[in-house]
Amino acid sequence: DAGITQSPRHKVTETGTPVTLRCHQTENHRYMYWYRQDPGHGLRLIHYSYGVKDTDKGEVSDGYSVSRSKTEDFLLTLESATSSQTSVYFCAISEPQVGQETQYFGPGTRLLVL
Amino acid sequence: GDSVTQMEGPVTLSEEAFLTINCTYTATGYPSLFWYVQYPGEGLQLLLKATKADDKGSNKGFEATYRKETTSFHLEKGSVQVSDSAVYFCALSPQLDSNYQLIWGAGTKLIIKP
Repeated sequence: DAGITQSPRHKVTETGTPVTLRCHQTENHRYMYWYRQDPGHGLRLIHYSYGVKDTDKGEVSDGYSVSRSKTEDFLLTLESATSSQTSVYFCAISEPQVGQETQYFGPGTRLLVL
Repeated sequence: GDSVTQMEGPVTLSEEAFLTINCTYTATGYPSLFWYVQYPGEGLQLLLKATKADDKGSNKGFEATYRKETTSFHLEKGSVQVSDSAVYFCALSPQLDSNYQLIWGAGTKLIIKP
C-alpha cells in the first residue's frame, strides 16, 4: 500500500472557524491532489500540486486554499468553514507518466461543519 | 470536454451472479482507463486499468476491456461475492496534457446479497 496518511481522520467544527487538513506521503511522489466526496457528486477535485510550491485549482476550489512547502506534505485549509463544506475529503498522490497515471488514495477525513 | 458516464446504482445482485457495470467515455485520442473500488469507510484503490485499445485489465476476478470502437470500458465479474459489495468508479486520464488529472464517473454502488 502507498504510504499516505491523512489527519485528522474525523473532525467536527463550527461555521466560521478555520480548518486545516493534512496529507502526508512517504512515497516521494511529485503530484498530490485533494478531492471531496459527496453523495450524488462522486469525486470532485479541489486543488492539486505538481511540486513543492506549485499548486493549481480544481473544479471546486472556492473557499479552499492549499500549501505545499515540502514534497511529503500537502495541506488543505478552509479559511472560514461553512456547512456546505461538510464532506469526506480524500488526498491522493501520483508519479505520473503517460500510461502510468494511477493515483493512490489516503483513507479520508470526515469533516462535519455545524 | 472529456467525460465518463457510469450506470446508475445501486446494483443489487445475489451471490455468485454475473456482474456487469457499464462505463462509457468521451475523449479525444487514446486515454488511459481505470476502475477504482471503494469499500465502506475506506479510500479508493485501483482495481484495474488499461492504457491502449483492446487491452484487457484484470484483477481479483474482475475484467474490463478497452473498446475504442464503442468508447466503453465495462467492468465484469463471473461470480460475485458478498465481499465485492462496494462503490466502483470508472475514470480516464486524457491523452493530451491535462496535468495528469483523472476524469471520474459518478460511481456505482454494488450490493451483493447472500
